[in-house]
Amino acid sequence: QQQVKQSPQSLIVQKGGISIINCAYENTAFDYFPWYQQFPGKGPALLIAIRPDVSEKKEGRFTISFNKSAKQFSLHIMDSQPGDSATYFCAASPGGSYIPTFGRGTSLIVHP
Amino acid sequence: KAGVTQTPRYLIKTRGQQVTLSCSPISGHRSVSWYQQTPGQGLQFLFEYFSETQRNKGNFPGRFSGRQFSNSRSEMNVSTLELGDSALYLCASSLGGGGEETQYFGPGTRLLVL
Repeated sequence: QQQVKQSPQSLIVQKGGISIINCAYENTAFDYFPWYQQFPGKGPALLIAIRPDVSEKKEGRFTISFNKSAKQFSLHIMDSQPGDSATYFCAASPGGSYIPTFGRGTSLIVHP
Repeated sequence: KAGVTQTPRYLIKTRGQQVTLSCSPISGHRSVSWYQQTPGQGLQFLFEYFSETQRNKGNFPGRFSGRQFSNSRSEMNVSTLELGDSALYLCASSLGGGGEETQYFGPGTRLLVL
C-alpha cells in the first residue's frame, strides 16, 4: 500500500517556468511533510518542509502548498533553473517520530 | 562539519553472500537511519538507531540487521543476499530528538548482487 502518492513521475520545464509536483497521502496521523532534492550520485537533501497548521510555506523560489482537507500537498518551483534539474521526493511522517514515508519521486529536467 | 560518510561507495556481491555497510554520522548526531532506494520501490525505511539501540524498524526481513556503536557510527548487515537486494543503501543522521529534526543523508552505498 503506497501511503504517499507522488505525481508526475517526470517533468520537463523550460528555464524560467514553474515546476509543480503533487503528493497525496492517506494516513491522517501524518503531520510533518518534507520535500527532498536528490542529485545523481548524492543522497537526498532536505529542501523545505511544512506542518499542517499552515497552508503555505515559501523559501526563496520554493513553495509548499498544503490542503489538509484534501490530504494533498505540492511543491512549486518558481523561475525554474537548469540547476534545479534533479529528482524530488515528497515525504510524510507521523507526529513524535521522524520516520518518513516517501513518495516515488519526480525527475525534473529544466531546459536552458 | 563533515557530512555523513558511507563506506564502501560501491560493492558487488553474489547471491548467498553477506555484506556489511558502514555509516559515520555528522559529529554530535546520535540518530542514524538506514534506507533502501530502488527504481521500483523508491526510498524505503529500514531501521533507526539511537544511542546504540534500535528505536524504529521498517518492514524488511530479518536478513537485514544493523547496529550502532558508542561513537554513533552504524553498520548495516544483509545476510544471504538475493538479487532483489541490489539497491542504493542510504544512511541518514540527525540529532536524535525525533519530531521535525532534519535528517542529513550520506551519498549511499550502491550494492549490486549477481
